[in-house]
Amino acid sequence: QKEVEQDPGPLSVPEGAIVSLNCTYSNSAFQYFMWYRQYSRKGPELLMYTYSSGNKEDGRFTAQVDKSSKYISLFIRDSQPSDSATYLCAMRAGGTSYGKLTFGQGTILTVHP
Amino acid sequence: EAQVTQNPRYLITVTGKKLTVTCSQNMNHEYMSWYRQDPGLGLRQIYYSMNVEVTDKGDVPEGYKVSRKEKRNFPLILESPSPNQTSLYFCASSLWGAGSYNEQFFGPGTRLTVL
Repeated sequence: QKEVEQDPGPLSVPEGAIVSLNCTYSNSAFQYFMWYRQYSRKGPELLMYTYSSGNKEDGRFTAQVDKSSKYISLFIRDSQPSDSATYLCAMRAGGTSYGKLTFGQGTILTVHP
Repeated sequence: EAQVTQNPRYLITVTGKKLTVTCSQNMNHEYMSWYRQDPGLGLRQIYYSMNVEVTDKGDVPEGYKVSRKEKRNFPLILESPSPNQTSLYFCASSLWGAGSYNEQFFGPGTRLTVL
């Protein structure tokens, strides 16, 4: 069983829709939760990160972490065609494991006009 | 321009022929890391380095070597490549610190094919 599971999709939505992307994990030591976006033929880039449980909002993007359920989500409001990309969740523990990062499989999102 | 560069961008080689993929960053970052990306498996960490002369294994280190002799460079070495190492490889870097490790800056990727 993978430490981090992410539905690979693909997910296709109309412009303006609310998109929900999710990951589950099994390692209770994970403390930092990230969402990266990867455009075709590019390297990933950080969208946002959250420490421990709670919500974080940045413009049209909201990240949620529920450590009790080992479940994280990324919501995209008013989705735009420019949001079409692969979205990767990533997680890491603290302490001596600071440098070790575990990614989900990535979800391919297409927003059509 | 602040960036992570990788060379070569594309490489086709044969089984057993040693190769090195270079990675360099100009942001004075302490932390550097290598990942491979495969369909259905996402990004998997190969090795990472917290600073010069400090390296540690990620989730899939078998068949790879790294060294960190200078802060800006972190080469990935495949001593005897095999077809199962055919993949898209990314190098990344970040500043040192609990929050900083979350924002990794990725290079453009190296597409490696081992025949």
